[in-house]
Amino acid sequence: GAVVSQHPSWVICKSGTSVKIECRSLDFQATTMFWYRQFPKQSLMLMATSNEGSKATYEQGVEKDKFLINHASLTLSTLTVTSAHPEDSSFYICSARDRQGVDTIYFGEGSWLTVV
Amino acid sequence: KNEVEQSPQNLTAQEGEFITINCSYSVGISALHWLQQHPGGGIVSLFMLSSGKKKHGRLIATINIQEKHSSLHITASHPRDSAVYICAVSGNQFYFGTGTSLTVIP
Repeated sequence: GAVVSQHPSWVICKSGTSVKIECRSLDFQATTMFWYRQFPKQSLMLMATSNEGSKATYEQGVEKDKFLINHASLTLSTLTVTSAHPEDSSFYICSARDRQGVDTIYFGEGSWLTVV
Repeated sequence: KNEVEQSPQNLTAQEGEFITINCSYSVGISALHWLQQHPGGGIVSLFMLSSGKKKHGRLIATINIQEKHSSLHITASHPRDSAVYICAVSGNQFYFGTGTSLTVIP
């Protein structure tokens, strides 16, 4: 079945550096991808909606200059956390929408980011 | 007030029991999603529905658009069903429920 691959699964970075997380749809073309973050014991929070070939749409309160999203191809979207701070430490998850056949959304396995 | 309300928050069941998780929402939607999140964090999309009822194995999801309510049922529950189940709705925006933590005891 359709699979969404997210990489890396775990990343530790120093405060002030940038880190990139990739989200790939492995066997379908995803014109729309979504990025979420989740703090411990809290629900998912949608950060932005990414449409291939256009600028991402950010949710209110999400800094677009801090969380750079690129969706350059139909199978790849990237989230770059710039100038990371410890408060950015979180679980980041992507999902991709497959509109072919049964319209559904597939989730990546998520990426644990720890900023030290 | 949350746009998506789930109940119960926590649920413990004996193996084999029939389980129901409820979701109510207050916004206009194009689709409702039931998600399953395991302790490691990985999320699986169980259902995406906009009307009626869907069934996949032991899982059944129903939605009543007029009442803005959905239910997720698990028949013959098993310990491997233990996870957090999240209801989400999508329309102009995505809204997530706070999740239902299910523990199925052997």
